[in-house]
Amino acid sequence: DIQMTQSPSSLSASVGDRVTITCRASQGISSYLAWFQQKPGKAPKSLIYAASSLQSGVPSKFSGSGSGTDFTLTISSLQPEDFATYYCQQYNSYPFTFGGGTKVEIK
Amino acid sequence: EVQLLESGGGLVQPGGSLRLSCAASGFTFSNCAMGWVRQAPGKGLEWVSGISASGGSTYYADAVKGRFTISRDNSKNTLYLQMNSLRAEDTAVYYCAKRSIYGDYDYWGQGTLVTVSS
Repeated sequence: DIQMTQSPSSLSASVGDRVTITCRASQGISSYLAWFQQKPGKAPKSLIYAASSLQSGVPSKFSGSGSGTDFTLTISSLQPEDFATYYCQQYNSYPFTFGGGTKVEIK
Repeated sequence: EVQLLESGGGLVQPGGSLRLSCAASGFTFSNCAMGWVRQAPGKGLEWVSGISASGGSTYYADAVKGRFTISRDNSKNTLYLQMNSLRAEDTAVYYCAKRSIYGDYDYWGQGTLVTVSS
């Protein structure tokens, strides 16, 4: 199975900060990598697919990059509505696996 | 508008069974692969199972293999998860999710809570 390692597991940031979250796969997954945002008590929301493609309706402050084993999610200017937990997921091969999550909190 | 509505969750004793359903609308269900993802209280997301658009191929996480069965009825636009031999560690919110043409999970239901406890 492919292991997905996210870092950091949590971070504190201020409104307006640029935030970067990393995700590393235990083996190459090409660009079959998605990012999700989840707020407490809510279902995950898809942000990015194919490592760098923005889902329809997702603001351009979110961006993704990487291929192979190393990936990043960047939020260019953190806003109050962005405080949430973020997960990466590989869908290169079954079983699809998620990273452990990164909780973005207000500093 | 794509909608996925899970149902069937509840309280069940260890060793018991439960069947979850996910009613889909707003897209051509029979053209889309689907999946189930769960989240234990206070924990991260865990992929559980997947099924091809036709239902001919199914996939499971090791943690549920042999106990859970995924299926679908394309005439009813409904996805199912039959859960047998339930354990305390199966306690979680279960989400159904739709796979896009690119392979990712682009839409998710609101989730249904399964609690396994005596």
